[in-house]
Amino acid sequence: DAGITQSPRYKITETGRQVTLMCHQTWSHSYMFWYRQDLGHGLRLIYYSAAADITDKGEVPDGYVVSRSKTENFPLTLESATRSQTSVYFCASSPPTGTYTFGSGTRLTVV
Amino acid sequence: EDKVVQSPLSLVVHEGDTVTLNCSYEVTNFRSLLWYKQEKKAPTFLFMLTSSGIEKKSGRLSSILDKKELFSILNITATQTGDSAVYLCAVELIQGAQKLVFGQGTRLTINP
Repeated sequence: DAGITQSPRYKITETGRQVTLMCHQTWSHSYMFWYRQDLGHGLRLIYYSAAADITDKGEVPDGYVVSRSKTENFPLTLESATRSQTSVYFCASSPPTGTYTFGSGTRLTVV
Repeated sequence: EDKVVQSPLSLVVHEGDTVTLNCSYEVTNFRSLLWYKQEKKAPTFLFMLTSSGIEKKSGRLSSILDKKELFSILNITATQTGDSAVYLCAVELIQGAQKLVFGQGTRLTINP
């Protein structure tokens, strides 16, 4: 199916564990983004990528790592999860000119 | 620091009412302003505004941008319970990477 998919939809992990959230898009959009959404903060940009092998930090990158070896995939890794990283994570993609399309989100709980 | 502020943060009205949601911004290198509707899942696109004074309409929803005063409004007329959602305003920056800066959102509740 065409679109942007995130996995898993829900994840519970323990403090200190490494967690990877997956994002896959089928449009070959050049731009991909990771946002986190928390009450009172709206959506905040974690990392973005303008093309394969090109990534850059957003507003809140600490504690996160991304990679983009293929245009269609943009995984987000929490190297050592902390409770403050409990959030809903949204991946999005966009062509060079145009609007974002968001994935359905991953609700991550760190206990 | 680039900033987008939405008001009100929360709004409860009765079905059939008209509502106006506000979005003001202070950013460098403005490219466009976007409105999204978020129900239980991902935000879905409503409007993109790039020019002042040109109203965009989609059914009962409309939006306009004022680049001089740095704000936008989203109007919803004859509201329905299905309009209940969080409405997000975002500003796209000209930085070569299409980054969006989001406001906190307005939670709109329509009571029957």
